[in-house]
Amino acid sequence: GAVVSQHPSRVICKSGTSVKIECRSLDFQATTMFWYRQFPKKSLMLMATSNEGSKATYEQGVEKDKFLINHASLTLSTLTVTSAHPEDSSFYICSARDFIGAGSAPFFGPGTRLTVL
Amino acid sequence: EDQVTQSPEALRLQEGESSSLNCSYTVSGLRGLFWYRQDPGKGPEFLFTLYSAGEEKEKERLKATLTKKESFLHITAPKPEDSATYLCAVQEKGRAGFKTIFGAGTRLFVKA
Repeated sequence: GAVVSQHPSRVICKSGTSVKIECRSLDFQATTMFWYRQFPKKSLMLMATSNEGSKATYEQGVEKDKFLINHASLTLSTLTVTSAHPEDSSFYICSARDFIGAGSAPFFGPGTRLTVL
Repeated sequence: EDQVTQSPEALRLQEGESSSLNCSYTVSGLRGLFWYRQDPGKGPEFLFTLYSAGEEKEKERLKATLTKKESFLHITAPKPEDSATYLCAVQEKGRAGFKTIFGAGTRLFVKA
């Protein structure tokens, strides 16, 4: 199956700082990448859909100025949590899909555990 | 809006005790139903894609089936290493193309 990596796997930061999380598709070109957030023992909540070369589309209730998403190439998307606060602490997971588009299953990265002190 | 509902929320089995997990969905025009396995602290691992009613897929002790309204993940003679959360998802048409919407998952515990 396709491989998606995320970096870092864990990050601890102070309140008010910004944190950048990278998502890479290692063996395929991803026209679309997705960012999810997951709370303990809960399912994945879609935050935004990112298409290469265009602005991300955010789900209702997700602050686009707080969660900046950039998808500059077919293999890299980044999520920046700006001015992080303790309530932003969560497990962030990205996924990527190749050119096949509708009907093709997205593959997921290993996730990034963010802790804001 | 498309909905994905999984049941039960949690399932405890003895090793070797076969069972099934359910995923019911409402979607206008199914473009794919996916099953994933997620271990604690990790990203979901892809298991199966099903596209049309009547389709079945198998992998080791797992078999996924699909009808027009629901999908089942059958686990035959489970082992403790099958313990995980199993997630079902469907594709939904969004503003930026197709997006994947997940159910809440079924947490499976298999005791030796």
